[in-house]
Amino acid sequence: EPEVTQTPSHQVTQMGQEVILRCVPISNHLYFYWYRQILGQKVEFLVSFYNNEISEKSEIFDDQFSVERPDGSNFTLKIRSTKLEDSAMYFCASSFGLTREQYFGPGTRLTVT
Amino acid sequence: KQEVTQIPAALSVPEGENLVLNCSFTDSAIYNLQWFRQDPGKGLTSLLLIQSSQRERTSGRLNASLDKSSGRSTLYIAASQPGDSATYLCAVQGGGADGLTFGKGTHLIIQP
Repeated sequence: EPEVTQTPSHQVTQMGQEVILRCVPISNHLYFYWYRQILGQKVEFLVSFYNNEISEKSEIFDDQFSVERPDGSNFTLKIRSTKLEDSAMYFCASSFGLTREQYFGPGTRLTVT
Repeated sequence: KQEVTQIPAALSVPEGENLVLNCSFTDSAIYNLQWFRQDPGKGLTSLLLIQSSQRERTSGRLNASLDKSSGRSTLYIAASQPGDSATYLCAVQGGGADGLTFGKGTHLIIQP
């Protein structure tokens, strides 16, 4: 069964460094999403992406964040200058249509020291 | 702003029992509601999606209902098994939003 994959599974970085989290969505899906979950808290929506542009972003998704679909398969989340509070599990998701079922990847645990 | 609440926060029951998890949301203008399962340190596994026009969906031992007008959904798990132990998350999409709004989840333990 097709699934969303994410790399790396765990990333440790120093405060102020740039990180890129990578995702491969399900191949025929058209909508792509990033969410994050700070330890012990709710899963929070960051951004959605459709037709090679951002469709919607939350208040969390400020200028430090960017997303890109550099080729036909990868979808990336970049954090330009990481802060301690960026430590969280980051989930990528994809769906075939906007109101269709979202499928999540296993997540990347980002630890900022 | 949409808010999603899940009750109870934690539940522990003996194996074999039927159980109900509750989810409520404040804005009834939703496109759909999705139930997920999350195992410790792992990703989210989609269990059921209910479109706003639907009242109920079933998958195996799981049955989810939706009452959009009252802002409620329930997830019914029949004949619970130890392997059902996990955190169950409810999430809604709607109000013109692309992203899902999640509840905090119900942490379920099924005792063998």
